[in-house]
Amino acid sequence: EPEVTQTPSHQVTQMGQEVILRCVPISNHLYFYWYRQILGQKVEFLVSFYNNEISEKSEIFDDQFSVERPDGSNFTLKIRSTKLEDSAMYFCASSEGLMGYGYTFGSGTRLTVV
Amino acid sequence: GIQVEQSPPDLILQEGANSTLRCNFSDSVNNLQWFHQNPWGQLINLFYIPSGTKQNGRLSATTVATERYSLLYISSSQTTDSGVYFCAVDGKIIFGSGTRLSIRP
Repeated sequence: EPEVTQTPSHQVTQMGQEVILRCVPISNHLYFYWYRQILGQKVEFLVSFYNNEISEKSEIFDDQFSVERPDGSNFTLKIRSTKLEDSAMYFCASSEGLMGYGYTFGSGTRLTVV
Repeated sequence: GIQVEQSPPDLILQEGANSTLRCNFSDSVNNLQWFHQNPWGQLINLFYIPSGTKQNGRLSATTVATERYSLLYISSSQTTDSGVYFCAVDGKIIFGSGTRLSIRP
């Protein structure tokens, strides 16, 4: 069964550093998403991406966040200057379409900011 | 926006027991999925079920879209079923707060 692949599985970074989280969505999917889950809390929507641009973003997705699809397969989330409160599990997801299609999630990247 | 409520928040069962998890949502939805988050944090897709009934082994799910709820049934539960079960709805996927299920041997 096709998978969404995320790397790295764990990342530890110092406060103020930039991090890039990487995702390879399923190849025939057109919609891409990032979510985050702070430890013990619910999964929160960050951003959706379609046709090489952001289609929707939440209030969490402020100027320190950016997304990119640098080539035909990768989808990245960049956090410019990490803060302690950015520590969370970050999930990438993709779907074939908006309606009538489920989302497939990657295994997540656990980001720890120290 | 749509509100998603899951119940119960916590459930502790003996191995072999059956359980029903509920998801209520505040408005009509086009997408609904059930996920299992295992102890390692991975989100496993269980069902895509905006309406109707589906079964996969010991798990089944029913969504009654007109009444704005979905149910996840787990029969003959095993310790590997432990974890958090999330219901998530609609276009940008709004997650409920989850049901934490613990299966005791």
